[in-house]
Amino acid sequence: DVQMTQSPSSLSASIGDRVTITCRASENINIWLAWYQQKAGKAPKVLMYKGSRLESGVPSRFSGSRSGTEFTLTITSLQPDDFATYYCLQYDSYPRTFGQGTKVEIK
Amino acid sequence: EEELLESGGGLIQPGGSLRLSCTASGFTFRDYTMTWVRQAPGKGLAWVSSINGGGHNSYYSDSVNGRFTISRDNSKNILFLHMTNLRADDTALYYCARDAPLDIWGPGTMVTVSS
Repeated sequence: DVQMTQSPSSLSASIGDRVTITCRASENINIWLAWYQQKAGKAPKVLMYKGSRLESGVPSRFSGSRSGTEFTLTITSLQPDDFATYYCLQYDSYPRTFGQGTKVEIK
Repeated sequence: EEELLESGGGLIQPGGSLRLSCTASGFTFRDYTMTWVRQAPGKGLAWVSSINGGGHNSYYSDSVNGRFTISRDNSKNILFLHMTNLRADDTALYYCARDAPLDIWGPGTMVTVSS
């Protein structure tokens, strides 16, 4: 099974900060990684898919990149609406596996 | 509008059974693999099971394999999760989602396993 190691588990940041979250896959998953944002009491919302493709309607301050088995979600200028928990998901193979989540809190 | 809506959750005793449903609308249901994801209270997301569009191929996490069965009725646009021998650690909010990459989610249905 592919293990997804997500870091950090939490971070504190201020409005306007640049934020980076990383997921490392235990083996090659090619481009098959998605990023999700989840707010309290709500279903997750997809932000990125195929590693770096922005879902329609998602602000351009979100971006994704890949270097081998390491994937990064970047928020270039954190906005109040971005305080949430973020998850990565590999969908290269079954079982699908999520990262452990990163909670982004207000500093 | 593309939507999913889960139902069937509730309070069930350990060892009991429950069937969850997920009704889809706004897209061609049979064209998509569908997935169940759960989230225990205060915890992260966990993939549970997926089924391909035709319903012939299904996949399960180790934690539910042999106890849960995923199925679908493409004539009615409904996804099911039949859960048996339920345990306390199955307590979670269960989401259905359109795969891949899980771009449409329902609001979830809560399953509580407790005596």
